[in-house]
Amino acid sequence: DVKVTQSSRYLVKRTGEKVFLECVQDMDHENMFWYRQDPGLGLRLIYFSYDVKMKEKGDIPEGYSVSREKKERFSLILESASTNQTSMYLCASSLRVSDEKFFGPGTRLTVL
Amino acid sequence: GENVEQHPSTLSVQEGDSAVIKCTYSDSASNYFPWYKQELGKRPQLIIDIRSNVGEKKDQRIAVTLNKTAKHFSLHITETQPEDSAVYFCAASGNDMRFGAGTRLTVKP
Repeated sequence: DVKVTQSSRYLVKRTGEKVFLECVQDMDHENMFWYRQDPGLGLRLIYFSYDVKMKEKGDIPEGYSVSREKKERFSLILESASTNQTSMYLCASSLRVSDEKFFGPGTRLTVL
Repeated sequence: GENVEQHPSTLSVQEGDSAVIKCTYSDSASNYFPWYKQELGKRPQLIIDIRSNVGEKKDQRIAVTLNKTAKHFSLHITETQPEDSAVYFCAASGNDMRFGAGTRLTVKP
């Protein structure tokens, strides 16, 4: 059973803070993804990584960065959190980029 | 890149009725079309998928159809039950995967 875990289910931060969201998968998948989920907008891709230390921008990378130092771990960083980054953040992994995605439980981030 | 549109955004049916959700995609290179179900407070999970060499696939009460010429695919749920209530996402994948905006299905007992 693929397990994708995220460091927090709920997080409350203040405007301007640096925020780290962490994701770990245990299936040795090459590819990992960060999505943002907002009502009516579906799942929008922020960044993905196809290998350690490799990253590609998704559709909405502005205001975010990522880090992948180990194959199993993919971190999303908000350098200076803003209120418009209040959202549900979902991590996912897959064997190949275009394959079935396995999602983590999500982190609901509130920026005050 | 790929663009996926999904309709309707909300759907309410009586228990036992059928539900149909439709998606269109833009990239003719897309060849894999999964559907995900997300129950309230839970992660999205794959419920059925179809590849471009197949026109239809069924798994018990759910089925997916694909029309590659028209670039659209649909999810059909028959004999709906209250536990089918969830948000459903379609996706289209070629070089990368893009998701539709989601359909909130409510099945009224």
